[in-house]
Amino acid sequence: DAKTTQPNSMESNEEEPVHLPCNHSTISGTDYIHWYRQLPSQGPEYVIHGLTSNVNNRMASLAIAEDRKSSTLILHRATLRDAAVYYCILRDEGTGTASKLTFGTGTRLQVTL
Amino acid sequence: IAGITQAPTSQILAAGRRMTLRCTQDMRHNAMYWYRQDLGLGLRLIHYSNTAGTTGKGEVPDGYSVSRANTDDFPLTLASAVPSQTSVYFCASSLAGGFTDTQYFGPGTRLTVL
Repeated sequence: DAKTTQPNSMESNEEEPVHLPCNHSTISGTDYIHWYRQLPSQGPEYVIHGLTSNVNNRMASLAIAEDRKSSTLILHRATLRDAAVYYCILRDEGTGTASKLTFGTGTRLQVTL
Repeated sequence: IAGITQAPTSQILAAGRRMTLRCTQDMRHNAMYWYRQDLGLGLRLIHYSNTAGTTGKGEVPDGYSVSRANTDDFPLTLASAVPSQTSVYFCASSLAGGFTDTQYFGPGTRLTVL
């Protein structure tokens, strides 16, 4: 799997937007960009994924750079419940092991009042 | 719908003992996975199963075995536990195992090997 680079930690105030960056300069044309998050003392949960176009769902938005070498997860209004570790993961459709998730250390998001 | 359940929630185990971590899903997902998460690190894949009757090795399979006799259950066995296997273990499942497939995770089992 291609490597991703994320900041170790970020802070945000509640009710403000949060932009979580991810660099993946070695991304291949078939790599999907996935985001998962892990709340304290819980298993990871899926947030969003995309290939080339920006994506929106009820949890977040994913903005993908035109060259696909970076992406940004956007939480439009952070709440205390969004405090978690956010993982940016690349998944390649072209390999037989494509079902596996390779987690890095992610970005720990702290949300304060 | 319960999703994925894991048992036990936590366990303290003497080195050398055999231990089976249980994982059950009720979503009729074809693929299941076992990950371990060491303190301060991301998850690492131990074993996986794309469908009942098949299993495969992940990134860190040594010291662990799995079986997939049916769709719902995917137990992980430590034949002879060692202290380096102290970790939090997460079971996950997904519908088909493809590259856009969403994985759903259980609550984890915290295992301490002394």
